[in-house]
Amino acid sequence: AIQMTQSPSSLSASVGDRVTITCRASQGIRNNLGWYQQKPGKAPRLLIFSTSTLQSGVPSRFSGSGSGTDFSLTISSLQPEDFATYYCLQDYSFPRTFGQGTKVEV
Amino acid sequence: QVQLVQSEAEMKKPGASVKVSCKTSGYIFSSESINWVRQAPGQGLEWMGWSSGYNDNKEYAEKFQGRLTMTTDTSTSTAYMELMNLRSDDTAIYYCARERVNTDGLRNDFWGQGTPVTVSS
Repeated sequence: AIQMTQSPSSLSASVGDRVTITCRASQGIRNNLGWYQQKPGKAPRLLIFSTSTLQSGVPSRFSGSGSGTDFSLTISSLQPEDFATYYCLQDYSFPRTFGQGTKVEV
Repeated sequence: QVQLVQSEAEMKKPGASVKVSCKTSGYIFSSESINWVRQAPGQGLEWMGWSSGYNDNKEYAEKFQGRLTMTTDTSTSTAYMELMNLRSDDTAIYYCARERVNTDGLRNDFWGQGTPVTVSS
């Protein structure tokens, strides 16, 4: 199975900060990576798929980049509603695998 | 609009089985696939399995092999996830998600609200 190593596991940030979260795959996954946001008590929400395609309705301050084994999610200017936990998910092959999550907090 | 509505919370005893439903609407059920994902209390997301909407193909995570069965009912556009021989560490929220594939790529774009399953004696 492909292992997804996500870092950091948590980070402290302030409104307006630029935040970057990374995921590393244990083998190449081309561009088959998505990013999901989850708030407490809620289902995950798709932010970005195919590494860099912004899901409809997601603010443009979210962006994704990478290829092969190294990927990143960037929030250009953190907003109050962005404090949440973020997960990467590889959908290159089965079994699908998530990163461990990154909690973005004040 | 696309919706995935899951069944209500369940409480089960160890060794029992649970069957969670995911009723979909707003799209052609047989055109997309369904993933099942769970989240134990305070833990991250864990992928459990995938079922095709257009044929009988399924993929299960190895740790659930032999205990997990995913089925679909195209007449009601509903997907089901049955987990057998429950243990206390199966206590989690179980989610279904629509997996869409087109020329833009693959993604889980719509999610059910989650079904809490508690396993306790």
